[in-house]
Amino acid sequence: DVKVTQSSRYLVKRTGEKVFLECVQDMDHENMFWYRQDPGLGLRLIYFSYDVKMKEKGDIPEGYSVSREKKERFSLILESASTNQTSRYLCSIPGGQGAEYEQYFGPGTRLTVT
Amino acid sequence: AQSVTQPDIHITVSEGASLELRCNYSYGATPYLFWYVQSPGQGLQLLLKYFSGDTLVQGIKGFEAEFKRSQSSFNLRKPSVHWSDAAEYFCAVGARNAGNNRKLIWGLGTSLAVNP
Repeated sequence: DVKVTQSSRYLVKRTGEKVFLECVQDMDHENMFWYRQDPGLGLRLIYFSYDVKMKEKGDIPEGYSVSREKKERFSLILESASTNQTSRYLCSIPGGQGAEYEQYFGPGTRLTVT
Repeated sequence: AQSVTQPDIHITVSEGASLELRCNYSYGATPYLFWYVQSPGQGLQLLLKYFSGDTLVQGIKGFEAEFKRSQSSFNLRKPSVHWSDAAEYFCAVGARNAGNNRKLIWGLGTSLAVNP
């Protein structure tokens, strides 16, 4: 079974704090993705990584950065958290050969910035 | 531009009734189409997918979907809904970005409520 784990299910941070969200996969896949999910806005791609130390901006990268130092771990960083970054964050990886468009998701992190 | 439209934001059905969730896409090539389900507080789970071949595809939990190229649609159906089907449902189409990397373009989702 594909396993994508995220470091926290729920997180509460203060405005201005630096926030790290961690995602770990056990499938040795090159690609990893970070989305945020908001009611009425669906899933929006923040960043993705297609290999260690490689990253590409998604649709809404502003206010975020990412780190991929090891293949299994992809971190989303909020340099200075703001209230408009209160959201649910989902990490995903693609399926294997022949299923590259499929996405397998972690359980998500509900981040509240106060 | 590539896009996915789910016209219904919320749908309420009675348990045991049939269900159809609509999905329309805009994509130039032959699409790779997906339906995902998200139960409250959970991540997304793949329900079914269409790549090619038979236009009626079967998925998990008794769901099916039909690809209609002429209508650019990929509607999700279930003949008899169970209370546990209450969830949010997302339609998506596979695409390539400018760097030729694969990604999914998502609809905004349909929230399904099931009355007992």
